[in-house]
Amino acid sequence: DTAVSQTPKYLVTQMGNDKSIKCEQNLGHDTMYWYKQDSKKFLKIMFSYNNKELIINETVPNRFSPKSPDKAHLNLHINSLELGDSAVYFCASSPRTSGRNEQYFGPGTRLTVT
Amino acid sequence: AQSVTQLGSHVSVSEGALVLLRCNYSSSVPPYLFWYVQYPNQGLQLLLKYTTGATLVKGINGFEAEFKKSETSFHLTKPSAHMSDAAEYFCAVSDPYSSASKIIFGSGTRLSIRP
Repeated sequence: DTAVSQTPKYLVTQMGNDKSIKCEQNLGHDTMYWYKQDSKKFLKIMFSYNNKELIINETVPNRFSPKSPDKAHLNLHINSLELGDSAVYFCASSPRTSGRNEQYFGPGTRLTVT
Repeated sequence: AQSVTQLGSHVSVSEGALVLLRCNYSSSVPPYLFWYVQYPNQGLQLLLKYTTGATLVKGINGFEAEFKKSETSFHLTKPSAHMSDAAEYFCAVSDPYSSASKIIFGSGTRLSIRP
């Protein structure tokens, strides 16, 4: 049973396109996250949702829009893709919104923008 | 504000040798500290976590880390490296009093194991 799953695993697209990445967790967690990992492996948080409510919104271009239809799902939509968006995007979840809790990560989606 | 510094972006050890990955943190409150491992083309997996209490924390795969408040360090060790330990390791810090559930990650250390 996959705890945190993401689709697709690989995404290759051209500049200017719009794409979405989906994330689902079956752990019963309340909080979900999106991270971006660049080519140097640096991991930066983008968004966090708790029970469908946005609680963390780091400095991310408006072209990125998260959507949480329910607490088990957090999708990431990216408009007008740019070369600099190429990265690995990780979804994660944690039991509740608190700094006390570790996070559980999905396998990642490698986005390549050409 | 919190931050994490991992000393050494790449560490190479021989199989069977001691593994030592260094992590120093900065935090204005008593922190929670984590080590995560990322195997090639995979997501991050929790190795171990320090919350409160015992400062020596044991994790999975024979790893352990010691919280040293006076040195603001949380170094990761393993007595004997195995080829399967080759991966990227991330130290991370969080504020346990925060309602925002934000974890700050270090820049990572790539561990290579020589046969």
